[in-house]
Amino acid sequence: EVHLVQSGAEVKKPGESLKISCKGSGYNYNNYWVAWVRQLPGKGLEWMGVIYPDDSDTRYSPSFQGQVTMSADKSIRTAYLEWTSLKASDTAMYYCARPAGGGYYHGMDVWGQGTTVTVSS
Amino acid sequence: DIQMTQSPSSLSASIGDRLTITCQASQDISNSLIWYQQKPGTAPKVLIYDASNLETGVPSRFSGSGSGAEFTFTISSLQPEDIATYYCQQYDILPLTFGGGTKVEIK
Repeated sequence: EVHLVQSGAEVKKPGESLKISCKGSGYNYNNYWVAWVRQLPGKGLEWMGVIYPDDSDTRYSPSFQGQVTMSADKSIRTAYLEWTSLKASDTAMYYCARPAGGGYYHGMDVWGQGTTVTVSS
Repeated sequence: DIQMTQSPSSLSASIGDRLTITCQASQDISNSLIWYQQKPGTAPKVLIYDASNLETGVPSRFSGSGSGAEFTFTISSLQPEDIATYYCQQYDILPLTFGGGTKVEIK
C-alpha cells in the first residue's frame, strides 16, 4: 500500500529554523514528484511547490519561493520542507502529497497525514 | 496564476438532497481539474480527477463535469458522511491552484 508519513507536530519560536519530513513507501519513490501544500488555520489549501527526489529538481510557487526550501534524500525515500527563520505567519498544517502519474501536472492522489507547525513566542 | 473561483463557499442541505458546487477557472484549463473532500482533522481525499473521472472506491453519488473554464461537482443524494469541505484544484499550469473550498453542512 502506498503511504506518505510525515514527521510530528512542531512548536517553535519566531526566528528559529525547522525542517519537517515526508517519507514515502509502497511505490517506486524515484519516479514520482512530491508536493507540499499549506493550510493556514481554518483556511483553504495552498500549493507550495514540488520536488523530484531522484534529482532534487524543484518547482516553487512564486508565493513561497525564497520563503522555504524543499529537498530530498532518495536513499531514504524522504522529502523535506525547511525554514531558516520562522515567522508567526508560518503557523499552519503542512501536507506532503504525491502527484499522480509521472509528472507534476496532476492532481495529488496520495497525501501524508500532515505536520502541524506552530510558531509562537 | 490561474484563479479558481469556487461557489458557494458554504451550503446547508438535508440528507438525500442533490447538491451542486461550481468551480470557475480564470482561463481555459481543458479538463485538468480535480475535486477533493476534506473532513476535519484529516488530509484531502481525491473524489474526481480529470474533471469527470470517479476515483476508484468513491461512491457513485459523486460526479463531476465540465471542461475549459467551467466545472461542476455534484452529490446526487447527500449522506451524513459527506459532511466535509470540498475543494477543486487545477493542474494545467504552474503554480497549481485550489478553489477556496465549499463547506457542506446538514440542515
